[in-house]
Amino acid sequence: QKEVEQDPGPLSVPEGAIVSLNCTYSNSAFQYFMWYRQYSRKGPELLMYTYSSGNKEDGRFTAQVDKSSKYISLFIRDSQPSDSATYLCAMSGRTRDYKLSFGAGTTVTVRA
Amino acid sequence: NAGVTQTPKFQVLKTGQSMTLQCAQDMNHEYMSWYRQDPGMGLRLIHYSVGAGITDQGEVPNGYNVSRSTTEDFPLRLLSAAPSQTSVYFCASSYPTGTSTYEQYFGPGTRLTVT
Repeated sequence: QKEVEQDPGPLSVPEGAIVSLNCTYSNSAFQYFMWYRQYSRKGPELLMYTYSSGNKEDGRFTAQVDKSSKYISLFIRDSQPSDSATYLCAMSGRTRDYKLSFGAGTTVTVRA
Repeated sequence: NAGVTQTPKFQVLKTGQSMTLQCAQDMNHEYMSWYRQDPGMGLRLIHYSVGAGITDQGEVPNGYNVSRSTTEDFPLRLLSAAPSQTSVYFCASSYPTGTSTYEQYFGPGTRLTVT
């Protein structure tokens, strides 16, 4: 079993819809949770980062972490065609732990 | 700043050939790493380095070597290429964000095909 499982998608939504992305994990030591966005044929870039449980909002993006269920989510409100990309969740354990465990990624297409 | 650069962008090798994937960063980051990305597998860590002269193995190190003689450069060597090494390779560098985790900056990737 993989340490981090991510809904594979692909996901296709109309412009303006809410996109919901999820990951589950098995390692209870994970404390830092990240979402990376990867455009086609590009390297991933950090989108959001959350420590421990709770919500974090940044513009149209909201990240949620539920450590009791070992479940994290990313919501994209008012989705735009420019949000079409692969979204990867990533996690790490200790403070200043530079080794990340990644999910397989979910490919999202927002239709104009 | 150019950020993280990788060369070549594309490469085709025959089984048994060796080659070096180049990675450089101009942000003075202490930590650098190599990942491979395969469909359905996500990013898997091959090797990483916490500073010049210091390297360590990641999740999938077999068949690869690394060295870190300078802060800027972190080349990845394929010793004897195999079809199983067909993948997209990403180099990343990172720095500590405050007292917590590291933000990783990724290069554009090298697409490698081994026939």
